[in-house]
Amino acid sequence: TQLLEQSPQFLSIQEGENLTVYCNSSSVFSSLQWYRQEPGEGPVLLVTVVTGGEVKKLKRLTFQFGDARKDSSLHITAAQPGDTGLYLCAGGGPTTYSGNTPLVFGKGTRLSVIA
Amino acid sequence: KAGVTQTPRYLIKTRGQQVTLSCSPISGHRSVSWYQQTPGQGLQFLFEYFSETQRNKGNFPGRFSGRQFSNSRSEMNVSTLELGDSALYLCASSWRTGTATNEKLFFGSGTQLSVL
Repeated sequence: TQLLEQSPQFLSIQEGENLTVYCNSSSVFSSLQWYRQEPGEGPVLLVTVVTGGEVKKLKRLTFQFGDARKDSSLHITAAQPGDTGLYLCAGGGPTTYSGNTPLVFGKGTRLSVIA
Repeated sequence: KAGVTQTPRYLIKTRGQQVTLSCSPISGHRSVSWYQQTPGQGLQFLFEYFSETQRNKGNFPGRFSGRQFSNSRSEMNVSTLELGDSALYLCASSWRTGTATNEKLFFGSGTQLSVL
């Protein structure tokens, strides 16, 4: 069974600070996605990384996929209260004869940015 | 373009009852997946339907079932509810291009089920 461990579980920081959250596994994934979920809503896809070592930037957010495709990190620069939410990573498995294997989600990092 | 719609938003049931949740995917999306989200376990995959056929199934008991209609709308049913079934049930739709690297899930806001 593929598992994704996210750390830290909870993070509370002041506006303007930088932070990094991690997503680790002993398994290799074909792709890694990051979602943000706000209270009362479903997760919203932020980014997909597919190549080992890949780095993607989305404004103040920087996503990195590990060289071995087993881990990923999300770095936020100058965090703002609007960044508050639950950050989830999800790993994509191999494509089988029946199509995609389901995404495996980590339990998430709950981020609170205080103004 | 309308997003994924789940109904109802909130539901309160008692142990032993059954419940049916509904999901309308984004127009044109033919794949619908269901997830259970709890604080302790996070998001856990229930099942996926594509073109009215169940393509994948998670590790949940047979009390959890689902189906998909010809218009891609999906329902999931939980029979003989237990206290531990209290959770946020999320539905997600996708184009299902057939490759994991291109899979993008669009989630609804969920149905919050409380079992008393």
